[in-house]
Formats: sequence, structure tokens, C-alpha cells
Amino acid sequence: DGGITQSPKYLFRKEGQNVTLSCEQNLNHDAMYWYRQDPGQGLRLIYYSQIVNDFQKGDIAEGYSVSREKKESFPLTVTSAQKNPTAFYLCASSIVASGGYNEQFFGPGTRLTVL
Amino acid sequence: LAKTTQPISMDSYEGQEVNITCSHNNIATNDYITWYQQFPSQGPRFIIQGYKTKVTNEVASLFIPADRKSSTLSLPRVSLSDTAVYYCLVGRMDSSYKLIFGSGTRLLVRP
Repeated sequence: DGGITQSPKYLFRKEGQNVTLSCEQNLNHDAMYWYRQDPGQGLRLIYYSQIVNDFQKGDIAEGYSVSREKKESFPLTVTSAQKNPTAFYLCASSIVASGGYNEQFFGPGTRLTVL
Repeated sequence: LAKTTQPISMDSYEGQEVNITCSHNNIATNDYITWYQQFPSQGPRFIIQGYKTKVTNEVASLFIPADRKSSTLSLPRVSLSDTAVYYCLVGRMDSSYKLIFGSGTRLLVRP
């Protein structure tokens, strides 16, 4: 089955700890994205990557870091510098084609709770 | 990036047609209009996309007037399982592309 997987589904972290959220896709998509969603709100873009070894900051990148060493993988690290990390984190991927809009495919999400 | 405005919530009953309108006054020439659906604790799912006039697929229709400053998502004969949040997005893919998800429209379908 092709798709996007995120792990773990639920994650608990103590204040001051860094934590890494996994995102893997087997859709052969070049672009990958990380979003954050707070209760009752829309999604906000954290980071995105259109090609291996390259990524750009989204609207709320502070306190987060990413890497894109492989096409299939785009892990997100939530650092201790992120003031309010408790949220629902969504990973997505898409093809990259010029001149148009490309559907983003989303993973099931990881719910992070800071204790 | 074009900003979108859509109703915060809507109520409907099973079997009715639901129309959700999105306003995007600053849409650019190369922007597409896309709608996503999100169920609680799940990632959004693509519903439909269009550039102008009308687009129809197996789940919805998208109506876009000539000036493209608004669009309407039409869900025919909704069922309880259509209860979800619906997001209207406007944009195109380029090197600086970013999707902007507003708060969406919460649709509640009642029996």
C-alpha cells in the first residue's frame, strides 16, 4: 500500500526534552511538509522540502528542526526552545510540478503532549 | 498569497445538498482553488480542485464564477459521515509556495 506513515501516534514529553517525530512516504513524492494543528484551528506550516538535502522554513519554524537525507523520510525534531509544543502534528507529501497546484497527501498525525 | 474567508460552521440534515462558499478576493491569475476535508484526529484529505467554471468528481462539485473571487463547494445528498471540517485553499506550487489553511467550515450533518 502506498502512503504516508507517522510514528508514534501519541507522544508524551517532559518539558526541556527534545523529541523527534517520524514521517515516511513511499509515494515517490519529491516534496514533503510538516504542519502543526492546535485545537479548533487550521493547519500551520512548520517546514517544507521540495528536494533531498534542501528545506525551507514555514510560518512557525522557531523551535523546530528538520532533515531531508532521503527522499522517503522527513523527520521533525521539536526542541526545548519551542514554547508551546503540545499540538497535533501532520506530515504531508506531494509531487512537484511547475505551473500548477499539486494535491498534498497527509499522514495520520502525531499528537504530542508536553507534561 | 490569497486569503480565504469561509463560514465558521454550517448545519444540515441527511439527504440535503450542502453548499459552502469561500471568498478569495485577492486570488492571483495562476492560483488554483482546492478544497480539503478533515475528520477529527486525522490528516486532511483532498476533495476537489479547480481553476474556473465548474468541476465535478464522484464526491463533490466546485463552482467558480468568471471573476474567480469566490468559489462554492457543493456536496450532494450529505450523510452523517460527511460531518467534518472543510478547508478552502488558494495557491500554486512554486519555489516559495505555502499552503494556507484557515480555520475551515465545520459541517454538522444531523439525522
